[in-house]
Amino acid sequence: TQLLEQSPQFLSIQEGENLTVYCNSSSVFSSLQWYRQEPGEGPVLLVTVVTGGEVKKLKRLTFQFGDARKDSSLHITAAQPGDTGLYLCAGANTGNQFYFGTGTSLTVIP
Amino acid sequence: DVKVTQSSRYLVKRTGEKVFLECVQDMDHENMFWYRQDPGLGLRLIYFSYDVKMKEKGDIPEGYSVSREKKERFSLILESASTNQTSMYLCASRPGGTGSTGELFFGEGSRLTVL
Repeated sequence: TQLLEQSPQFLSIQEGENLTVYCNSSSVFSSLQWYRQEPGEGPVLLVTVVTGGEVKKLKRLTFQFGDARKDSSLHITAAQPGDTGLYLCAGANTGNQFYFGTGTSLTVIP
Repeated sequence: DVKVTQSSRYLVKRTGEKVFLECVQDMDHENMFWYRQDPGLGLRLIYFSYDVKMKEKGDIPEGYSVSREKKERFSLILESASTNQTSMYLCASRPGGTGSTGELFFGEGSRLTVL
């Protein structure tokens, strides 16, 4: 098992604030995905990053893959209540098996 | 639209009962997965399948078995349910062969409570 630790585990912020979620591991991954899960639903893919140092933007969300491909971050600018949910990172090893992180539960208060 | 359907959203079973969780996907995906989700632990892989009648153990297969008789259907079986199997179970599918790193499509989950 390749452990992926996310921090923080819980985050409660006011609408309009910025935040960063971290996904860290001692293992190298060939690619990394971020998913968001809303209550009562399954996770939905937000982004896939494959190159060390890669940065991808999805509206107010910015995703970065670490240079060594062991870690990733998700930054949200001007958070909205619609951003509320559980954020999960998932790293793929050379065998293309995905290992999920421990999750970050985000609540954005209007 | 891509669709992964899990047969039961909520189940309550007693210790020792046999439990079947069914998952059907309508996207002709080769790969299917069963995860369990527990607070603070993320998603942990129980079993997966790359093809019909093929199965591979994930990280936590103990106490579980699976069946994939048809491409679109992947079943998770708890032969004798125990209280520590109380959890949210998520089924997912993914296109491509064994080398695929594509998107995982998840069902809505089955919340199992074992009393």
